[in-house]
Amino acid sequence: QVQLQESGPGLVKPSETLALTCSVSADSRSSDYWSWIRQPPGKGLEWIGYIYSNGNTNYNPSLKGRVSISIDTSKSQFSLTLNSVTAADTAVYYCARGLSFRAFDIWGQGTMVTVSS
Amino acid sequence: QSALTQPRSVSGSPGQSVTISCTGTNSDIGDYDYVSWYQQHPGKAPKLMTYDVIKRPSGVPDRFSGSKSGNTASLTISGLQAEDEADYYCCSYVARYTWVFGGGTKLTVL
Repeated sequence: QVQLQESGPGLVKPSETLALTCSVSADSRSSDYWSWIRQPPGKGLEWIGYIYSNGNTNYNPSLKGRVSISIDTSKSQFSLTLNSVTAADTAVYYCARGLSFRAFDIWGQGTMVTVSS
Repeated sequence: QSALTQPRSVSGSPGQSVTISCTGTNSDIGDYDYVSWYQQHPGKAPKLMTYDVIKRPSGVPDRFSGSKSGNTASLTISGLQAEDEADYYCCSYVARYTWVFGGGTKLTVL
């Protein structure tokens, strides 16, 4: 059974860069689609972006210009960077496996990131 | 892309059925049969309950069923149980590898 685990700093200063990594246990070739999704406290889910195993990416238009996702298949990891963060970027960040492009079938436990000075 | 529209809350008594709606547009729900539903208990990660509108992953009870008509998708939960109390989110593929979620619906089992 594939498991996902997010890691990274829990506190980021305003205007700085948020960087998270998702580690995939078991066979990372179980899917070619990997996404980041976030959830501000008390609010709903927001899709951030996706990466295909060959490195192709696409991002939520509302975040384009600030977000980047990369993949390291040799380490079974993919990563998220979000630049110029503000308090509005405070959220639980989840990584998720794509059931092709049809759904997100396996999720990490999530990691809380707070943007504050 | 705008979030899909869900009711903020629904409720039902044990044993009853409830339906949660999810309204989108011709560019998302209306254009693709790639609607999925997620259950989220407090402090937990979302769990996939249905996908491709009507399919259920292994292990999800058949009390959970999905449907779609035009630009609106629905999740019906029959035989409500106390453990069904949670937040539910719909999601749709929106082409060119983008996805959009609904705002979420809180289900209360009375």
